[in-house]
Amino acid sequence: DGGITQSPKYLFRKEGQNVTLSCEQNLNHDAMYWYRQDPGQGLRLIYYSQIVNDFQKGDIAEGYSVSREKKESFPLTVTSAQKNPTAFYLCASRGADRVLGGYTFGSGTRLTVV
Amino acid sequence: AQSVTQLDSQVPVFEEAPVELRCNYSSSVSVYLFWYVQYPNQGLQLLLKYLSGSTLVESINGFEAEFNKSQTSFHLRKPSVHISDTAEYFCAVSEGSTGGFKTIFGAGTRLFVKA
Repeated sequence: DGGITQSPKYLFRKEGQNVTLSCEQNLNHDAMYWYRQDPGQGLRLIYYSQIVNDFQKGDIAEGYSVSREKKESFPLTVTSAQKNPTAFYLCASRGADRVLGGYTFGSGTRLTVV
Repeated sequence: AQSVTQLDSQVPVFEEAPVELRCNYSSSVSVYLFWYVQYPNQGLQLLLKYLSGSTLVESINGFEAEFNKSQTSFHLRKPSVHISDTAEYFCAVSEGSTGGFKTIFGAGTRLFVKA
């Protein structure tokens, strides 16, 4: 079955470390997104990519970086510049019809700073 | 500017009772509206959507939502809830004729169904 796979499910980061969250989709979707979820704040957009080798900053991009070298993959790196990285991170994708189908979400990665 | 307001952060309700989760949005152009459901430690799943046509849309598990343009609302309802409906529900809005590349999510409403 097609879907989005995020790994790992749980991730622990030490102060000053960079960590990378994986997101892979086999839906043949053009657009991919990274959201951060904090309690009571809903979802906030970090980065998005509408096509391979192109990506744009979302509302809270500082301290994060992404790449889109393949259509199927959109990894997110949480850098040491992100001062409060503890959160639930969700990857999503959307097909060529952009809006009509809504998003397909992965099951998330919970990142904790230790 | 586009915004989405979910008026209740938590809604406790007894099993088999009706429930309404409220969502209001602000936008100056045509919109596409969505409700997503999130179970603990999982991603969001699309529950239902309004794109055009009939203002009342339904999901396969008994939820329905009605688009009210004059009140800029898209409230979610279910006439009789089950324990398994306990989850967080997010209203989302995409704006414009092509929907744009970005969707705004509400802060979420946690539905807690009690036996």
